[in-house]
Amino acid sequence: EIVLTQSPGTLSLSPGERATLSCRASQSVTSQFFAWHQQKPGQAPRLLIYGASKRATGVPDRFSGSGSGTDFTLTISRLEPEDYAVYYCQQYGHSLWTFGQGTRVEIK
Amino acid sequence: QVQLHQSGPRLVKPSQTLSLACAVSGDDISNDVVAWNWIRQSPSRGLEWLGRTYYRSRWDSDYLPSVKGRITISPDTSKNQFSLQLNSVTPEDTAVYYCARAMNKKVQGQFYYYIDVWGNGTTVTVSS
Repeated sequence: EIVLTQSPGTLSLSPGERATLSCRASQSVTSQFFAWHQQKPGQAPRLLIYGASKRATGVPDRFSGSGSGTDFTLTISRLEPEDYAVYYCQQYGHSLWTFGQGTRVEIK
Repeated sequence: QVQLHQSGPRLVKPSQTLSLACAVSGDDISNDVVAWNWIRQSPSRGLEWLGRTYYRSRWDSDYLPSVKGRITISPDTSKNQFSLQLNSVTPEDTAVYYCARAMNKKVQGQFYYYIDVWGNGTTVTVSS
């Protein structure tokens, strides 16, 4: 099973600032099977990025994904009030899905 | 627009069976480029994928090894829904359970596989 480790656990930033979230895999991941999801309190997760760098339908272009192999990054170029949430990375490999433990982006 | 609507009991007694259903609208569960998943979320385990069912000329299922033997995910094509059964539950199975669709998509010659639609979630408590 591929383990995903996200850092930092919590990111405290002001609106308008840039957020950089990291996800490291315990072994190499197929980029086409790597995604980022956003979850707000009391809601289901929502797909943001698939294929490591492709934005899902309706996702603002301030969200971008990058990376390959074992290191992946989600960047939010300028934080908007609605972006404060928990973000999870996810991958599919060896016939199963695994998730990171999440990074909480909170208002500073 | 694809929507997943979950139903099932929210309280299950220890040693009994947890049963949830996920009704699909906007897609056909026999679509051969998707898979239908169950995922749970708890403070202790985070987001944990449990398993999936999918149609590729026949129906098949895959499960997380740690729950294999206790779990069945099966389709009901007559109702366009799929279900989760988890046997012999303990308090550690208390979680929010989500159904979700995974899409296998070809873009510019590359195949992508990702979970793109989630149900609203069902909070299931295992307690006597």
